[in-house]
Amino acid sequence: SQQGEEDPQALSIQEGENATMNCSYKTSINNLQWYRQNSGRGLVHLILIRSNEREKHSGRLRVTLDTSKKSSSLLITASRAADTASYFCATVPVSNTNAGKSTFGDGTTLTVKP
Amino acid sequence: NAGVTQTPKFQVLKTGQSMTLQCAQDMNHEYMSWYRQDPGMGLRLIHYSVGAGITDQGEVPNGYNVSRSTTEDFPLRLLSAAPSQTSVYFCASSYGQGNQPQHFGDGTRLSIL
Repeated sequence: SQQGEEDPQALSIQEGENATMNCSYKTSINNLQWYRQNSGRGLVHLILIRSNEREKHSGRLRVTLDTSKKSSSLLITASRAADTASYFCATVPVSNTNAGKSTFGDGTTLTVKP
Repeated sequence: NAGVTQTPKFQVLKTGQSMTLQCAQDMNHEYMSWYRQDPGMGLRLIHYSVGAGITDQGEVPNGYNVSRSTTEDFPLRLLSAAPSQTSVYFCASSYGQGNQPQHFGDGTRLSIL
């Protein structure tokens, strides 16, 4: 079964609003990564947060990690139409430090209306 | 840099045919992986490699073979295509262990009739 599960499955907002999506996972992790996938393209890495970090920022992106609740959230502030994409979380378990064995969730599809 | 290059971009096969999906990366990454993505779902790991000559199975390896004779190339072979293998296939590479992002190709869209 998938390690990570995103919530909500779909999110539709107006340009300028903030978008928040959540990821829950089941086992202890080494790190958690967020990726974006535009329609018909491969995944693009956005941000990585290690298990000993609680919050990380990158431009308009803010990621939090709560290891006690086994959950993470991705906040996109001041959204733009170009942010329309699917967003996936991926986890690397403590038992396996090989990034190639990341486990992906089913994603959140974000639509930003102009 | 080209990054991760996958060929072909699209392919239609008949049940029982075999084919090889190509993946090449020019970043000198040790780690390479193959995933499949079914509609509305995330990626599931098929096979991965931690270096030339070393491969291992992922979550859904049945019906697929891989080899890693060079650092740059990691082909995925479908031995006898089945309709259940209709999917989008992504190759990814990363440098080092654990805390490194994966770089993805744009995928191969495969339909099995």
